[in-house]
Amino acid sequence: AQKVTQAQTEISVVEKEDVTLDCVYETRDTTYYLFWYKQPPSGELVFLIRRNSFDEQNEISGRYSWNFQKSTSSFNFTITASQVVDSAVYFCALSDQSNDMRFGAGTRLTVKP
Amino acid sequence: DTEVTQTPKHLVMGMTNKKSLKCEQHMGHRAMYWYKQKAKKPPELMFVYSYEKLSINESVPSRFSPECPNSSLLNLHLHALQPEDSALYLCASSQDSSGVYEQYFGPGTRLTVT
Repeated sequence: AQKVTQAQTEISVVEKEDVTLDCVYETRDTTYYLFWYKQPPSGELVFLIRRNSFDEQNEISGRYSWNFQKSTSSFNFTITASQVVDSAVYFCALSDQSNDMRFGAGTRLTVKP
Repeated sequence: DTEVTQTPKHLVMGMTNKKSLKCEQHMGHRAMYWYKQKAKKPPELMFVYSYEKLSINESVPSRFSPECPNSSLLNLHLHALQPEDSALYLCASSQDSSGVYEQYFGPGTRLTVT
């Protein structure tokens, strides 16, 4: 069975601090896909990134970066120089080829000015 | 354009009412989804439509009835709901239902059952 664990329920940082959101996953499949979504207070989930199991390259997009390590089954997300607008709930998700997408419990990030 | 629209934004209904939630996408996506999200919880998958056919039903009670009139539209018909059905209902779409592609979500309908 697939499982996604986001052990950090809530994180609070002060603006301009760097913050890393952890995601650990379990799957028996060799082919799978990992995602991060952001859910601001407005409620809409916003897609941030997709990674497939064969691509372990880390990615950077502006202040956001992702570290995918198959050896530790982790797909961590780092925000550099956090801003108040980054305050949201962040979900890590795992999908297999049957399209059974499982979300982690989410991490609520609060960035204080 | 990566927009998924949902109407209404808010809905209050009694337990004997019949109402419908609507979702629309114009990205040419062939898979559409309904999720239910309770407060402080992750979204839970309810239904998946692939090429306008129901492909996944996650053991959802029959008081929720999905419909996909065409590839751009997805409805969720509600009847005889219970107060515990109060939640945010999210619609999403993706290029196909292979699990490869990201899903794009609408803003949701916040449903309150009284």
